[in-house]
Amino acid sequence: GQQLNQSPQSMFIQEGEDVSMNCTSSSIFNTWLWYKQDPGEGPVLLIALYKAGELTSNGRLTAQFGITRKDSFLNISASIPSDVGIYFCAGNPYSGGYQKVTFGTGTKLQVIP
Amino acid sequence: NAGVTQTPKFRVLKTGQSMTLLCAQDMNHEYMYWYRQDPGMGLRLIHYSVGEGTTAKGEVPDGYNVSRLKKQNFLLGLESAAPSQTSVYFCASSYSFASPQSSGANVLTFGAGSRLTVL
Repeated sequence: GQQLNQSPQSMFIQEGEDVSMNCTSSSIFNTWLWYKQDPGEGPVLLIALYKAGELTSNGRLTAQFGITRKDSFLNISASIPSDVGIYFCAGNPYSGGYQKVTFGTGTKLQVIP
Repeated sequence: NAGVTQTPKFRVLKTGQSMTLLCAQDMNHEYMYWYRQDPGMGLRLIHYSVGEGTTAKGEVPDGYNVSRLKKQNFLLGLESAAPSQTSVYFCASSYSFASPQSSGANVLTFGAGSRLTVL
């Protein structure tokens, strides 16, 4: 099946640093989603993007829907220890149900206090 | 406000045994999904349902069966477990269409996962 190219695969950063991760695809998407997964838990939605060029913030998190509709990025500013986890991007080619959504392989974030 | 609830959370099976994972959602979502998560593979769709009484195959359906007898429940069955089915299984649900005005409430909502080990 199709997969998104998500990078980096893992990151070690110092507390207080900013973080940037991105996803690219050969296919066009109508929706981009960013999820965070804590150890032993299910993915939790951070930000949903519905329009090309859209820039959306959620606290210290900012995500953008690329103009080409084939990429998206997530930035985390001033990282804190609780930001540790795996971040997944996901793209949906439809405006409807998510049966065709494709997930990235995840970015594992470690924050050093 | 439970959201999506999966049972059991952990299970160990022997090769050839059968089992059923139960997913329940209380958000009145039309669509429900079963994913498996393996290291380095992200999330892969096993089966999904677009409404009560309907099911469809996803990306990796072999070795699994599903049923959606009630709108709020989606069952994943393994008839004869194999070691390759050792994984973490996630159930998710959603409405049938996306709406920016819903601030994310209508996108995929996941359960906490069920860790299955097949010996």
